[in-house]
Amino acid sequence: GAVVSQHPSRVICKSGTSVKIECRSLDFQATTMFWYRQFPKQSLMLMATSNEGSKATYEQGVEKDKFLINHASLTLSTLTVTSAHPEDSSFYICSAIRQPSSYEQYFGPGTRLTVT
Amino acid sequence: EDKVVQSPLSLVVHEGDTVTLNCSYEVTNFRSLLWYKQEKKAPTFLFMLTSSGIEKKSGRLSSILDKKELFSILNITATQTGDSAVYLCAAHSGGGADGLTFGKGTHLIIQP
Repeated sequence: GAVVSQHPSRVICKSGTSVKIECRSLDFQATTMFWYRQFPKQSLMLMATSNEGSKATYEQGVEKDKFLINHASLTLSTLTVTSAHPEDSSFYICSAIRQPSSYEQYFGPGTRLTVT
Repeated sequence: EDKVVQSPLSLVVHEGDTVTLNCSYEVTNFRSLLWYKQEKKAPTFLFMLTSSGIEKKSGRLSSILDKKELFSILNITATQTGDSAVYLCAAHSGGGADGLTFGKGTHLIIQP
């Protein structure tokens, strides 16, 4: 149990276009989902925390107008990279927790975004 | 289906003890095995392992990969209360199946 999926797994888009990435908890309801970006040398950077039905909380330095997060239901959160640029090319990973204060995060497989 | 299994799920030890955390994996087109330490929200990268039998060390932490038996271990010696965290391992798949598969993590608690 506790499976998190992401779609698409890989996307290539042109500079200036927008890309939407979906994160779904397949067999549980996720009160909170997190969005990460993976940088070189494998470090993960938390971008934002997404709670169902409320606005996402963005980490310092993350542009909320560029990385739009919508957590419309307890099983789906979306990250839209607007007006993508080559520097947005990265590996985006989401994770979900079943209940508040739980230390068990379930990670999605990631989405490789390449902006040309 | 790719999977990563970590054990134990939870571990409580006393300061000064040595702990070994286990991670077994089955993924398509395995590329590397990653270890992270998660204390607050964002996991901190610890090690990336690509070759079998070569130990990587960082202070009191060390890790090794066995690609034949498909597992890795993370050792922490002379544990301190600051080592309390969730330790995650993730297997990176390459080729057409580029992705990370995370284990559920080991919740390590170090008691003074």
